[in-house]
Amino acid sequence: SAVISQKPSRDICQRGTSLTIQCQVDSQVTMMFWYRQQPGQSLTLIATANQGSEATYESGFVIDKFPISRPNLTFSTLTVSNMSPEDSSIYLCSYGGGGTEAFFGQGTRLTVV
Amino acid sequence: LAKTTQPISMDSYEGQEVNITCSHNNIATNDYITWYQQFPSQGPRFIIQGYKTKVTNEVASLFIPADRKSSTLSLPRVSLSDTAVYYCLVGDYGQNFVFGPGTRLSVLP
Repeated sequence: SAVISQKPSRDICQRGTSLTIQCQVDSQVTMMFWYRQQPGQSLTLIATANQGSEATYESGFVIDKFPISRPNLTFSTLTVSNMSPEDSSIYLCSYGGGGTEAFFGQGTRLTVV
Repeated sequence: LAKTTQPISMDSYEGQEVNITCSHNNIATNDYITWYQQFPSQGPRFIIQGYKTKVTNEVASLFIPADRKSSTLSLPRVSLSDTAVYYCLVGDYGQNFVFGPGTRLSVLP
């Protein structure tokens, strides 16, 4: 199984700014997923990222706010744009799922002040 | 995607066996049942996966009745380090997971 690493692990950002979170997998994977986990809550899927195509966003999430890049089969980024305190959360990337084991990054703990 | 229902929280004592049951009445023919464990400040970690009957690995057992409308995760002889949130997920290959609220297990000394 591939190892998945995510960075930064945490950040404190000023409102109105943007943060880009990177997710690296050490072998090629078709789909990668981005989740948000608010304090004390479960994971909510933001979008699915396939290499070579636009990401597919879930209801309530839009590309202007959470642009995603997937330049190759081992890497993806999620940007949280024009941040507000309501964006304070943990953001996780993953791959796999369904009938196969899913692997998750350690998460990025974002605090917006 | 099949919706899952599981208890919000459970308490247990060290050394006991813990059984967490998940209901998934609308499970589809091709869906697998997978359980994940999440500790604070970490991403979820795979525990076990099954399709039907019983699956056992080094950390847990998964019991799935013939109708597959529910499943039970069994953790033998839990320790304090098993305190975590446990998620039951159902899905087919290629589908993304939809996480429910999970079961918050507290293991007491």
